[in-house]
Amino acid sequence: NAGVTQTPKFRVLKTGQSMTLLCAQDMNHEYMYWYRQDPGMGLRLIHYSVGEGTTAKGEVPDGYNVSRLKKQNFLLGLESAAPSQTSVYFCASSYGLAQYFGPGTRLLVL
Amino acid sequence: GEDVEQSLFLSVREGDSSVINCTYTDSSSTYLYWYKQEPGAGLQLLTYIFSNMDMKQDQRLTVLLNKKDKHLSLRIADTQTGDSAIYFCAAYKEGTYKYIFGTGTRLKVLA
Repeated sequence: NAGVTQTPKFRVLKTGQSMTLLCAQDMNHEYMYWYRQDPGMGLRLIHYSVGEGTTAKGEVPDGYNVSRLKKQNFLLGLESAAPSQTSVYFCASSYGLAQYFGPGTRLLVL
Repeated sequence: GEDVEQSLFLSVREGDSSVINCTYTDSSSTYLYWYKQEPGAGLQLLTYIFSNMDMKQDQRLTVLLNKKDKHLSLRIADTQTGDSAIYFCAAYKEGTYKYIFGTGTRLKVLA
């Protein structure tokens, strides 16, 4: 099992550009999550999904959209990137007991 | 809403025990977790404890839960340099789907 994988590992964007981060899990978990991690702020929940075709807003959803068309994939989109979105993004999946995290995507917005 | 707090830094000598502390606000939290994050990596689940337990031991790790004080601790026995990392405490309340994380404690192990 690969667990939770994230693509890409690193990306540089210019302000205003768009991009999609892909998260995939092979553990048949129902729940999936997107977090961002910034220095001194721990993990903040952006969006989450409790099943295929469903999504919900987390703590910091503005500027992001998500989709869960397949159970194993959870996509995070940035419509118009801003420097404030420079961060490390983590995807996680869960079966309701504990979360399992991907290795992260480091995003730099210039 | 739920809040989880941790101290930011802890420094110990190799071979000593480390104790990382966490407090949480929601007494109805169902599960409490400890995660480890090494530089440039994701969070790795170390252990978790159900809210109806007081203690859980797993090799060098001991988790203590004081429900009355809403205090969780992680003790690492015989701390090694490989234990240097950021440790996150997290709380989960069944039915909410959300995990609330502390800001993390950076553990530095001195040789």
